[in-house]
Amino acid sequence: QVQLQESGPGLVKPSETLSLTCSVSGASISSHFWNWIRQSPGGGLEWIGYTSYSQGSNYNPSLMGRVNISTDTSKNQFSLQLTSVTAADTAVYYCARARGYFDSLDYWGQGMLVSVSS
Amino acid sequence: DIQMTQSPSSLSASVGDRVTITCRASQGIGNDLAWYQQKPGKAPTRLIYAASNLQSGVPSRFIGSRSGTEFTLTVSSLQPEDFATYYCLHNFNYPRTFGQGTKVEIK
Repeated sequence: QVQLQESGPGLVKPSETLSLTCSVSGASISSHFWNWIRQSPGGGLEWIGYTSYSQGSNYNPSLMGRVNISTDTSKNQFSLQLTSVTAADTAVYYCARARGYFDSLDYWGQGMLVSVSS
Repeated sequence: DIQMTQSPSSLSASVGDRVTITCRASQGIGNDLAWYQQKPGKAPTRLIYAASNLQSGVPSRFIGSRSGTEFTLTVSSLQPEDFATYYCLHNFNYPRTFGQGTKVEIK
């Protein structure tokens, strides 16, 4: 059974960098496509991007170059960094897996609320 | 980006009712669409993939179908545990985009 778990600070100051980690069990981070998704307080879901050990990363252009997703194969984890955050980045952040490039998201983490506030 | 227009945004129904939710894609996406259910405070869970394939463990009352660029999720007989919010997600290309969601409430 594949399981994902988000971790990181729940509060980030405006203009700083949001950093989250997703720990994966039951699957190898060296395979598949590992995604970040966020859900605003209003409820809408937004795909942030993915990383793949063999095929690199791909990000949502809406985030205008502020995002980086990377993998740590030694820990079977992947991470999200979002720079220059504002209150609009306040959301529940989910990590999720897609089996392949063309596949939908099958396994999700439980989600983590990150608030941007001074 | 592909736009996914989901309707209705909410609906009220009774246990045993047949419920239909629709997502329309702004361009052709083949069968590259999934449906998710989300309960308050929980992550979305996949119900349907590739437009009409039932996720393992999901009850057969959930049915996905496609007609051109319009996709439908039908719950044939609504059960108490089905009151939740439902989202569609296309997986045709990147960026992936979701529908706006449909909240199914108890009448």
